[in-house]
Amino acid sequence: AQSVSQHNHHVILSEAASLELGCNYSYGGTVNLFWYVQYPGQHLQLLLKYFSGDPLVKGIKGFEAEFIKSKFSFNLRKPSVQWSDTAEYFCAVNEAGNMLTFGGGTRLMVKP
Amino acid sequence: DARVTQTPRHKVTEMGQEVTMRCQPILGHNTVFWYRQTMMQGLELLAYFRNRAPLDDSGMPKDRFSAEMPDATLATLKIQPSEPRDSAVYFCASGLRGYTEAFFGQGTRLTVV
Repeated sequence: AQSVSQHNHHVILSEAASLELGCNYSYGGTVNLFWYVQYPGQHLQLLLKYFSGDPLVKGIKGFEAEFIKSKFSFNLRKPSVQWSDTAEYFCAVNEAGNMLTFGGGTRLMVKP
Repeated sequence: DARVTQTPRHKVTEMGQEVTMRCQPILGHNTVFWYRQTMMQGLELLAYFRNRAPLDDSGMPKDRFSAEMPDATLATLKIQPSEPRDSAVYFCASGLRGYTEAFFGQGTRLTVV
């Protein structure tokens, strides 16, 4: 069974700092990769997704992620965070055609 | 604007009572997921359906939980009897098989007292 690991459970940054959140998955076959964001009290919303092609994926709100197949990783990045980025971030993997498995989430707090 | 609709948004019930949560997936989506979110356990997959058939419900406590899709526009998650440890936010999500993301509903916040 596939699994997804997010090693940073809590991250605290100041505004304008750069962000990188780690995500590793276990499945060795074809996968689709996602990052979701959950703002306080809200539901999960898609930030970006990777299916194939360019391994550097750009999403909404200035986020991007890089798929490195050899490392089974799909790290999320943002050059300069804002207070409004305070949220919980979830990495997810879909083993092509099957269920969506989520990582444990990373809570990001951005200090103004 | 297509969206996944969950009802009720909030539910407070007493221990031992039956709870039914409903989800209307986005029209045309053939895959439905039920997730439970708690502070301690994070986001857990309870069950998922494709074309109304349950494909995996291994994450669901079988003795008290049940999930069904009576038709393509309705998914239900029932807890009978409910217990305080069931208190959580339950999310439904829908998608198309394989290659698109899952779209989440607003969730049902369940409190069992």
